[in-house]
Amino acid sequence: QKEVEQNSGPLSVPEGAIASLNCTYSDRVSQSFFWYRQYSGKSPELIMSIYSNGDKEDGRFTAQLNKASQYVSLLIRDSQPSDSATYLCASPAGGTSYGKLTFGQGTILTVHP
Amino acid sequence: GAVVSQHPSRVICKSGTSVKIECRSLDFQATTMFWYRQFPKQSLMLMATSNEGSKATYEQGVEKDKFLINHASLTLSTLTVTSAHPEDSSFYICSAPKFVPAGGVGNEQFFGPGTRLTVL
Repeated sequence: QKEVEQNSGPLSVPEGAIASLNCTYSDRVSQSFFWYRQYSGKSPELIMSIYSNGDKEDGRFTAQLNKASQYVSLLIRDSQPSDSATYLCASPAGGTSYGKLTFGQGTILTVHP
Repeated sequence: GAVVSQHPSRVICKSGTSVKIECRSLDFQATTMFWYRQFPKQSLMLMATSNEGSKATYEQGVEKDKFLINHASLTLSTLTVTSAHPEDSSFYICSAPKFVPAGGVGNEQFFGPGTRLTVL
């Protein structure tokens, strides 16, 4: 089992809908989780970070963390075509916050007009 | 957010030449930086961890003599691809963790814009 796994993709949603991206992790010592957005041909861009159980909201983005169930999710409200990208879930190795990141395989999101 | 820069953004070179890529943290100090490589439509692959003041730590299967890493200062790490060949053509990206005092997450890791290397 991979340390960080993202649910199946690609995901296609209509403009204005909610896009839901999920990620599970196997290392219980993991403390911090990050969601990155990567456009084709570009480097990853950090869009959300979370370390506490519960929800964290930033604009149209909400990250959710459930340490008991070992999953972290990202909700994108009012999805726009510009949100179309690959979304990567990541966590630093070994329970640190500065270590090398373990990435999920990524979920390709397409928002169609 | 933090800013991590890379230079050059794009390089085309002949087979057999060496190419140096710079990664800088512009508004914070980074004792550790990470180097990744990404082939088209594939995931990021961590190549090595660059450590200021000590040797880099390479991931399994990455040739340390081919990919030379030097962490010259708290804001600069360089990756040199020695005797580059066409199979080294790829997108090279660096990242650096920055401590974020607010929010409790500790460090957040920021990526540079990447360097696209084409070896002819």
